[in-house]
Amino acid sequence: GAGVSQSPRYKVAKRGQDVALRCDPISGHVSLFWYQQALGQGPEFLTYFQNEAQLDKSGLPSDRFFAERPEGSVSTLKIQRTQQEDSAVYLCASSLVGYEAFFGQGTRLTVV
Amino acid sequence: GENVEQHPSTLSVQEGDSAVIKCTYSDSASNYFPWYKQELGKRPQLIIDIRSNVGEKKDQRIAVTLNKTAKHFSLHITETQPEDSAVYFCADHGSSNTGKLIFGQGTTLQVKP
Repeated sequence: GAGVSQSPRYKVAKRGQDVALRCDPISGHVSLFWYQQALGQGPEFLTYFQNEAQLDKSGLPSDRFFAERPEGSVSTLKIQRTQQEDSAVYLCASSLVGYEAFFGQGTRLTVV
Repeated sequence: GENVEQHPSTLSVQEGDSAVIKCTYSDSASNYFPWYKQELGKRPQLIIDIRSNVGEKKDQRIAVTLNKTAKHFSLHITETQPEDSAVYFCADHGSSNTGKLIFGQGTTLQVKP
């Protein structure tokens, strides 16, 4: 497809469970970002990749959050031992030149 | 760190009226200011952006103004229509050269028919 694709769209996890969220960026986009959007809030930056290199992970809230982009295309955000405060929409965005970012539809994670 | 303040948090207007949303930022090195529209349950979509070398940009019914001295920028929507109803977010880059965005808290715009 032409846009950023994320899967799954919805995920319900029991507290303590590990989850993996996938992002397929727009083909050829060098930059890839993950954001966390809590209900009623603006997206908050989690981490940034330039190709396969993770250049900024300053927004990851704890060491339970881990992201990778091994071949410089698809990216996975993993959350270990999920907690209720992890419930949010996780948005992926990609860009060609670091300016206009195109967002995916997001994965809504609910931890019960 | 960089901070972006957005107001109002909610805005209700009659169809055909204008709507204005304002944002202030803290990092004087910021040079790129996009606005995103997010409909319920959907992805944020870029509607207009402005770079620091211009003071105003228009695209049909939408315009953005930037005052670098005062460190604020505004979104103006004229002749509002019910389909303009959504949450609007301002953002900036701060001094980052990676393209990561710092978002405002969002404004819920309701256009009443």
